[in-house]
Amino acid sequence: DAGVIQSPRHEVTEMGQEVTLRCKPISGHNSLFWYRQTMMRGLELLIYFNNNVPIDDSGMPEDRFSAKMPNASFSTLKIQPSEPRDSAVYFCASRGQGGQPQHFGDGTRLSIL
Amino acid sequence: AQSVTQLDSQVPVFEEAPVELRCNYSSSVSVYLFWYVQYPNQGLQLLLKYLSGSTLVKGINGFEAEFNKSQTSFHLRKPSVHISDTAEYFCAVVGDTGRRALTFGSGTRLQVQP
Repeated sequence: DAGVIQSPRHEVTEMGQEVTLRCKPISGHNSLFWYRQTMMRGLELLIYFNNNVPIDDSGMPEDRFSAKMPNASFSTLKIQPSEPRDSAVYFCASRGQGGQPQHFGDGTRLSIL
Repeated sequence: AQSVTQLDSQVPVFEEAPVELRCNYSSSVSVYLFWYVQYPNQGLQLLLKYLSGSTLVKGINGFEAEFNKSQTSFHLRKPSVHISDTAEYFCAVVGDTGRRALTFGSGTRLQVQP
């Protein structure tokens, strides 16, 4: 079975540009999570969706960040405009019902120059 | 709300020695507990989970963890480590009701030396 699929794996862009990260959760999972990982802050939850509805976006750093989940099989995390401090590895994870564990994608390594 | 404390940021150990990575949590509700491993340049992989039942849970790669409710701990152990176990290990918790997002500890870097 395919796991959580993220694209791109790596992204390097100049500050001010729009960045879009993509995630395809595991089929049948009804919750989706976006995390950011940096050396300074570790793993931070940015936002999570349940049944395609955003439940908690308190971790989204600022208005430059937005996330959507138009259907059960796709989500995007967008940064516009991007800044060097946004450089990090961004992970998407999904999970099924109850106490089932989250399954993580391989991440997108984002570098903003 | 839940919180997770991993007191050891780094744990150096020699190959074939036993290891214990500590994890303590706090929560006002019952919890599910997880350990994840992250190898360099990869995502997080589930090692093991505690949902209910036996407090000793076994995971992949020879790891096990014991849930201790009175001490609010979920320490990870392996009787004999290999070089390939070198990685970052994260303890995580989620309440059995309400917020469904995991709360992660800050991670423990296990460095296995020959």
